[in-house]
Amino acid sequence: KAGVTQTPRYLIKTRGQQVTLSCSPISGHRSVSWYQQTPGQGLQFLFEYFSETQRNKGNFPGRFSGRQFSNSRSEMNVSTLELGDSALYLCASTTGGGSTEAFFGQGTRLTVV
Amino acid sequence: AQSVTQLDSHVSVSEGTPVLLRCNYSSSYSPSLFWYVQHPNKGLQLLLKYTSAATLVKGINGFEAEFKKSETSFHLTKPSAHMSDAAEYFCVVSASAGNNRKLIWGLGTSLAVNP
Repeated sequence: KAGVTQTPRYLIKTRGQQVTLSCSPISGHRSVSWYQQTPGQGLQFLFEYFSETQRNKGNFPGRFSGRQFSNSRSEMNVSTLELGDSALYLCASTTGGGSTEAFFGQGTRLTVV
Repeated sequence: AQSVTQLDSHVSVSEGTPVLLRCNYSSSYSPSLFWYVQHPNKGLQLLLKYTSAATLVKGINGFEAEFKKSETSFHLTKPSAHMSDAAEYFCVVSASAGNNRKLIWGLGTSLAVNP
């Protein structure tokens, strides 16, 4: 069974640009969650999608958005990039139930210059 | 509201000695609790989870954790550290209302293992 796949692995963008990150969950998993990981803040929850609907949302500005497709693949978009958006963005997939294990991708390392 | 506090940001042990990584939680619901490990340049991997069954939970690589409701703690232990255990460890609490689940993450504990 293939794991969670995130693309690209590394990105360098300029302030003001926008970026789209992709996550393909494990086959059969319907929930995808996105996290931002930085050294000072740890893992911060961005949002969760389940069956193409946003089910939970963290405390991030509207510049951060996402969507999920019918095949459960998810994309995350960040517009008007700021230097502080530099981080490791992690995607996790679960079946969507209550306390099931989350499987993580290796992340996308975004650097904003 | 749910929260997780990892009491140590850095822990350093010698190879072959016990490991203790401390985690306290706060939850309005019956929590599910997890420990994840992150090795450098690798994704997060589940070590173990507590979901209201046995309070002593055994995980991979010789790790275990004990759920203590009276102390609201879920400390991670291992009897004998190995060099390969050096990594970042995260304690996580899951609060669910039906299928609507949120994971709350601790800030992590960096474990160093000295030869």
